[in-house]
Amino acid sequence: DAGITQSPRYKITETGRQVTLMCHQTWSHSYMFWYRQDLGHGLRLIYYSAAADITDKGEVPDGYVVSRSKTENFPLTLESATRSQTSVYFCASSSRDRGSNEQFFGPGTRLTVL
Amino acid sequence: AQRVTQPEKLLSVFKGAPVELKCNYSYSGSPELFWYVQYSRQRLQLLLRHISRESIKGFTADLNKGETSFHLKKPFAQEEDSAMYYCALSGGSGYSTLTFGKGTMLLVSP
Repeated sequence: DAGITQSPRYKITETGRQVTLMCHQTWSHSYMFWYRQDLGHGLRLIYYSAAADITDKGEVPDGYVVSRSKTENFPLTLESATRSQTSVYFCASSSRDRGSNEQFFGPGTRLTVL
Repeated sequence: AQRVTQPEKLLSVFKGAPVELKCNYSYSGSPELFWYVQYSRQRLQLLLRHISRESIKGFTADLNKGETSFHLKKPFAQEEDSAMYYCALSGGSGYSTLTFGKGTMLLVSP
């Protein structure tokens, strides 16, 4: 049972480059989320998706693009990376099968933008 | 708007001491509250949710709607409890996203 996975786990890139972070879940959860984790800010929602082909902005969407062509995948793209996007990125998924908004998190991707 | 406040960035206690991590929220309806834990460089894991009223790893949390609080408590802290703890809130009706507090780092010293 792989659950929810992210790749790469670590990435170093340069300012201005495009970077795509991958997220894959095996539970067929309808909902998927991208967060960034920064010291002093906790977790902030970047984008989320309620189903394939349905996405919506979170608290800090600027500079990011998402897509969801398949239920199990939710890639996050930084179109032109900036140093302020250096962060740890977490993907999460959720289902309301049990009547709860509990989210399950991936292992994170540590991104450094030089 | 919904908001979660964790007033302490760092809480340092000795092994065996009681622990209380504070969480206050702002939400106009009936929220769903969670505590997540993140051990060093690991993924976030659900610790507790108020609707299940369970005790996990000795931790408990009670939703106090009058004080809009969901404090996390443990009577005797263990060194392995050292981690970052996040309180999170979700709107109760239908589906909504989670709003996280900024987290409290718990350090338990021997």
